[in-house]
Amino acid sequence: GEQVEQLPSILRVQERSSASINCTYENSASNYFPWYKQEPGENPKLIIDIRSNMERKQIQGLIVLLDKKAKRFSLHITDTQPADSAMYFCAATLNNNAGAKLTFGGGTRLTVRP
Amino acid sequence: EAGVTQSPRYAVLQEGQAVSFWCDPISGHDTLYWYQQPRDQGPQLLVYFRDEAVIDNSQLPSDRFSAVRPKGTNSTLKIQSAKQGDTATYLCASRQGNQDTQYFGPGTRLLVL
Repeated sequence: GEQVEQLPSILRVQERSSASINCTYENSASNYFPWYKQEPGENPKLIIDIRSNMERKQIQGLIVLLDKKAKRFSLHITDTQPADSAMYFCAATLNNNAGAKLTFGGGTRLTVRP
Repeated sequence: EAGVTQSPRYAVLQEGQAVSFWCDPISGHDTLYWYQQPRDQGPQLLVYFRDEAVIDNSQLPSDRFSAVRPKGTNSTLKIQSAKQGDTATYLCASRQGNQDTQYFGPGTRLLVL
């Protein structure tokens, strides 16, 4: 199976600063690592992901880094805005033709202060 | 394209009552997942299907939970005799073939008193 640890569980930052969330996983065969943002009362929404053949991916102000040797991946939000306040979840999975099941981290509650 | 739909959106039960949740995945998505998300925790997989076949139900409490997807499209998750510990949001997600992304529905928020 897979286990994913996510830290910190609570993160408070000032507007326009950066925020970083770190996750570790156990199964070295995991090959897909998505990040979801979840606002209160809403479903998780995919914001960025990275596959194991990459080390870095950026979509606008979101950067994901993957270190396969350390089995660690991280999300960095640059130039944070109050609208970035939400729960963030990392996940890991082995995607193959047999199927795929996501294992989620415990979540990070991000608050961006104006 | 319509997203994943779920019903009901909310349910309130007394312990011992039964409840069913319904999910309609995105059209053409062959893989369907049910997750349980307790408050302030990450989603935890209960069961998933590829078409009508159960691929993994190892985390489904089989004495009280059951899930079916008889035609490989819609799915129903049933709790036979609810307990307070079942209080959570139940999320359905779907995925197409070998695509990576799972798309989540709005969830059903269950409160067991």
